[in-house]
Amino acid sequence: DGGITQSPKYLFRKEGQNVTLSCEQNLNHDAMYWYRQDPGQGLRLIYYSQIVNDFQKGDIAEGYSVSREKKESFPLTVTSAQKNPTAFYLCASSIPARDSPLHFGNGTRLTVT
Amino acid sequence: GEDVEQSLFLSVREGDSSVINCTYTDSSSTYLYWYKQEPGAGLQLLTYIFSNMDMKQDQRLTVLLNKKDKHLSLRIADTQTGDSAIYFCAENGGSYIPTFGRGTSLIVHP
Repeated sequence: DGGITQSPKYLFRKEGQNVTLSCEQNLNHDAMYWYRQDPGQGLRLIYYSQIVNDFQKGDIAEGYSVSREKKESFPLTVTSAQKNPTAFYLCASSIPARDSPLHFGNGTRLTVT
Repeated sequence: GEDVEQSLFLSVREGDSSVINCTYTDSSSTYLYWYKQEPGAGLQLLTYIFSNMDMKQDQRLTVLLNKKDKHLSLRIADTQTGDSAIYFCAENGGSYIPTFGRGTSLIVHP
């Protein structure tokens, strides 16, 4: 079955450490996205990529970095510069067209203490 | 810029109908979507409507679109406890990247 896999489901880190969240898709989608979800705040776009080796900042990119070396993979690094990293992170993919809905992974819950 | 507004909570009794409302500002929106998020999971596409339609029905779900007022609603008939989730409205205006509302938490009680 085609889909998006995010791993791990839960992640715990100490403050000051960088951490990388994995996102892999086998839907052959060109576009991939990273969102952050906090209670009552909806989804906020961190980074997105329309094509391999290219990506753009979303609304809250500060303290995050991404890479897009392969079409299937779009890992997100939460750096120590991110002031409030504890959140639920969602990866999505789509055909980059206006009539194409997003397909989401099941998310990674990151807790930084 | 674009904005999508939803109320944050809705509580209904099992068996009643639920109506979740959404307003948007981008007049160039062509597709409007409803996604469902169950606890601890990602979002799943529930249904969508194209802007030249005013209604779409799919089993227990009815989507109504008032393009003049930029108002979208999702009606769930015979609401069940399994419908308890967060429901997100989203629109694709001038870009393939959707703008999401903050989500409406639907609580279904016996």
